[in-house]
Amino acid sequence: TQLLEQSPQFLSIQEGENLTVYCNSSSVFSSLQWYRQEPGEGPVLLVTVVTGGEVKKLKRLTFQFGDARKDSSLHITAAQTGDTGLYLCAGFSYGQNFVFGPGTRLSVLP
Amino acid sequence: EAQVTQNPRYLITVTGKKLTVTCSQNMNHEYMSWYRQDPGLGLRQIYYSMNVEVTDKGDVPEGYKVSRKEKRNFPLILESPSPNQTSLYFCASSFPPAGELFFGEGSRLTVL
Repeated sequence: TQLLEQSPQFLSIQEGENLTVYCNSSSVFSSLQWYRQEPGEGPVLLVTVVTGGEVKKLKRLTFQFGDARKDSSLHITAAQTGDTGLYLCAGFSYGQNFVFGPGTRLSVLP
Repeated sequence: EAQVTQNPRYLITVTGKKLTVTCSQNMNHEYMSWYRQDPGLGLRQIYYSMNVEVTDKGDVPEGYKVSRKEKRNFPLILESPSPNQTSLYFCASSFPPAGELFFGEGSRLTVL
């Protein structure tokens, strides 16, 4: 069974600070996705990365897929209170479907 | 509006009383799946379906059943619920299977 680990599990920062969360596995994935989940709602896709070494930017969020396609990171610049939520990474492999990490719960304080 | 709809959103039941959580999507997606979300464990896949009449077990299928008679619907059946099935359940759909997963709003189930 493929496993994804995420770190840190919890993160509480002040508005304006930068942060990085990590998603790691010993398995290789065909693609990796990042989702954000807010209380009372289902996860919503932020980005999909498919190529080893790929970097994608979404406004203040920067996503990177590891060269070996086993890990990924999410960097947020100048965090805002609206960034608060649970960040989930999900790896996809054909024949294995999606496997989700346990999530990083981010709290951005005003 | 593209959406995945789950019902009920909240349910409290007792051990052994059969229940069904419905899931419907209006995006004509072939792939649908069910997950349960528990603190510290993330989303774990229960069952998935690649198309009508094609279903397969995920990582935690014990105690659950599914059916896919129509493309848009993918109900989750708990024949004899037990307290360890107390959880937050999500239905999701996508096209293709590796594409963006669209999630419902979740169904919070408590089994006493």
